[in-house]
Amino acid sequence: GAGVSQSPSNKVTEKGKDVELRCDPISGHTALYWYRQSLGQGLEFLIYFQGNSAPDKSGLPSDRFSAERTGGSVSTLTIQRTQQEDSAVYLCASSLGARTKGEQFFGPGTRLTVL
Amino acid sequence: EDKVVQSPLSLVVHEGDTVTLNCSYEVTNFRSLLWYKQEKKAPTFLFMLTSSGIEKKSGRLSSILDKKELFSILNITATQTGDSAIYLCAVDHDRGSTLGRLYFGRGTQLTVWP
Repeated sequence: GAGVSQSPSNKVTEKGKDVELRCDPISGHTALYWYRQSLGQGLEFLIYFQGNSAPDKSGLPSDRFSAERTGGSVSTLTIQRTQQEDSAVYLCASSLGARTKGEQFFGPGTRLTVL
Repeated sequence: EDKVVQSPLSLVVHEGDTVTLNCSYEVTNFRSLLWYKQEKKAPTFLFMLTSSGIEKKSGRLSSILDKKELFSILNITATQTGDSAIYLCAVDHDRGSTLGRLYFGRGTQLTVWP
């Protein structure tokens, strides 16, 4: 199908290592979002890209987290020097644009486990 | 502080029961409230509500918003085992630019027993 895809689906890493999570949004969607969901918690907003505008990074929990979106399509979320509290499911979503950002389509997520 | 509060956090019912899930919020420049269903990992969109008192309906699911009292309810009638999921409520608000974020509640874990 032509939904949002994420890779890898699962990632186990050792504390202190860097990880990269990838998101391929739905073709034509200009808005892209990253969320984090810890066990038993709701979705925690991380970062939002809209077209060529500067991203809204207000949800990134520390400077170890960064994200980029190349060519207005694929996005990569990078976590440097991972900590055990970074363990969570990382969800990516996309929408047609800022006006339709409520109707977000989510990917299957990446489950990150930091040992 | 929590901007979106959902209740109950968990609910167990039997097939055929009717359930009501609650979502209250507190944001400035409210724009819309959204409901999602999360069965495994990926939440799927259910409803977006922008106006008070207008019910949105899809099959056995319906939802309504009260902008004066700052809450919304999601009703599911004649529940089925396939309704078992986490139901997430989110609120969108206007930050004065095209950028913005959704605030999600912690969700209600609904379990429907056969």
